[in-house]
Amino acid sequence: DTEVTQTPKHLVMGMTNKKSLKCEQHMGHRAMYWYKQKAKKPPELMFVYSYEKLSINESVPSRFSPECPNSSLLNLHLHALQPEDSALYLCASSQGHSFTGELFFGEGSRLTVL
Amino acid sequence: GENVEQHPSTLSVQEGDSAVIKCTYSDSASNYFPWYKQELGKGPQLIIDIRSNVGEKKDQRIAVTLNKTAKHFSLHITETQPEDSAVYFCAASPPKGNKLVFGAGTILRVKS
Repeated sequence: DTEVTQTPKHLVMGMTNKKSLKCEQHMGHRAMYWYKQKAKKPPELMFVYSYEKLSINESVPSRFSPECPNSSLLNLHLHALQPEDSALYLCASSQGHSFTGELFFGEGSRLTVL
Repeated sequence: GENVEQHPSTLSVQEGDSAVIKCTYSDSASNYFPWYKQELGKGPQLIIDIRSNVGEKKDQRIAVTLNKTAKHFSLHITETQPEDSAVYFCAASPPKGNKLVFGAGTILRVKS
């Protein structure tokens, strides 16, 4: 199984809502990532978890809150978002956390903030 | 920090022709250079990568070349097919860096 599964595929939320994005992998990877991708742009790193501990936070606003309940799961909790946060949110995983090996991306969750 | 420039931003080729996408990087210590393909509605997928101790790598119709002196690397796709149409991102990874730096992307259209 070489898949990273993300749910939901699409999410529409108001600025006062609280929602969560979920990501799952069963490849035994110990590093998991959240990326944000705007249209026609490359992915931008948000967070990295290594061995279930947050190792990198790219100065992401606190309205985005990551969580890694176990080595297979990664969540992104969303609260009080702004319309400019509308984007494709990509989860990825890799065997190690060194950015010198393949990143396996999910298909993404397309978020629209009204 | 590392900066990666990618050209061209869009590329249209006829089916069966070759396509070449070029990237330059700024940090001479970068040592890992992957290429990702992103199809519409999907996440990026690694198609080929190269490390700094290798000058060229090939996988069927896809090849990557690396020139460390000039700090540039290129993706070559031969005998292009319609299913090669996608956005291609190059990237560079500095040693001890904490992120992969992506280029801006190239939209490749293969016309049949």
